[in-house]
Amino acid sequence: EDQVTQSPEALRLQEGESSSLNCSYTVSGLRGLFWYRQDPGKGPEFLFTLYSAGEEKEKERLKATLTKKESFLHITAPKPEDSATYLCAVRQGAQKLVFGQGTRLTINP
Amino acid sequence: DTEVTQTPKHLVMGMTNKKSLKCEQHMGHRAMYWYKQKAKKPPELMFVYSYEKLSINESVPSRFSPECPNSSLLNLHLHALQPEDSALYLCASSRGLADRTDTQYFGPGTRLTVL
Repeated sequence: EDQVTQSPEALRLQEGESSSLNCSYTVSGLRGLFWYRQDPGKGPEFLFTLYSAGEEKEKERLKATLTKKESFLHITAPKPEDSATYLCAVRQGAQKLVFGQGTRLTINP
Repeated sequence: DTEVTQTPKHLVMGMTNKKSLKCEQHMGHRAMYWYKQKAKKPPELMFVYSYEKLSINESVPSRFSPECPNSSLLNLHLHALQPEDSALYLCASSRGLADRTDTQYFGPGTRLTVL
């Protein structure tokens, strides 16, 4: 059974303090690993898709990387506006996404 | 433009009411999705429509009834809901291609409260 586990559950950082969020996955043939950002009471916002081990993608202060067993979302010099829940998901079959529980990130000014 | 719109933003209904949630996209996507999200939990898939046909029903109770009138619109009809059905209901859409590049884009959600 496909599984996605995110850690930590919650993370508090000071503004400018870089860190990484982890997403471990177990799937029978990875067909895409997705990162989304979700603000409270809003829908998830698409950030990145990764397909192959070794692949990396960047957007502003965020960088996503992928290995055969896990993905990291690195956040460099974060700002308070980066505070959100970050969701990781893997594709199961053609259309279903299996989500992890998310990491709630808080950046204090 | 990757915009999915949902109406209403908030909905309060009694257990005997009938109401509908609406979702619209103009990206030419051919797959549309309904998700349910409880507080501090990830989204849970409910239904998938692919080319206006229901392709996935995740064993959702019959008090939730989806409808896809055309490729741009998706409705979720609600009847005789229970208080535990209170949640954020999210709509998403994707190109509908059966390949790994297909990405789901989410709408802002409808916050549903059942009294």
